[in-house]
Amino acid sequence: QKEVEQNSGPLSVPEGAIASLNCTYSDRVSQSFFWYRQYSGKSPELIMSIYSNGDKEDGRFTAQLNKASQYVSLLIRDSQPSDSATYLCAVEGNTDKLIFGTGTRLQVFP
Amino acid sequence: GAVVSQHPSRVICKSGTSVKIECRSLDFQATTMFWYRQFPKQSLMLMATSNEGSKATYEQGVEKDKFLINHASLTLSTLTVTSAHPEDSSFYICSANPPKADTQYFGPGTRLTVL
Repeated sequence: QKEVEQNSGPLSVPEGAIASLNCTYSDRVSQSFFWYRQYSGKSPELIMSIYSNGDKEDGRFTAQLNKASQYVSLLIRDSQPSDSATYLCAVEGNTDKLIFGTGTRLQVFP
Repeated sequence: GAVVSQHPSRVICKSGTSVKIECRSLDFQATTMFWYRQFPKQSLMLMATSNEGSKATYEQGVEKDKFLINHASLTLSTLTVTSAHPEDSSFYICSANPPKADTQYFGPGTRLTVL
């Protein structure tokens, strides 16, 4: 079992819709959770971080964490074509090391 | 915001040569930096943790004699790919944790192509 799992996609949504990206992790001692966006040929950029159960909202983005289910998600409201990218889920345990999922490719079509 | 730079952004070399990639923290000091590798359509894989003034810590399966890491100052870490082969062609990305930051900030990456 992979440590951090994501559906590779592509996830296609129309412009203006909500995109829902999901991630599960295997290590129960994981403490910090991150969503990164990566455009093709570029390095990842941080979108959201979340540390406690529940929802965390930042603009059009909402991260959701459920530690009991070992599940973290990212919702993107009012999706725009510029949101088209690969979204990487990353999990951090007791060290500073980040474990990345394989990413979900999101396509927002006009 | 915190800035991490890498140089070069792109390099093409012949098989058997060595390539050095620099990672700099521009506006903060970093005692620890991380080196990742990303193959096409795959995720980032941590190669090693670079520690200022001491030896790097390599992840399982990463050859320390092939991927030499030097972290000589609080703002610079270098990764040298020695005797590069075509299978070393990849996107190499470094990162660092600024003080009081809750996560890593990534450099722009270096695309290495070995012919």
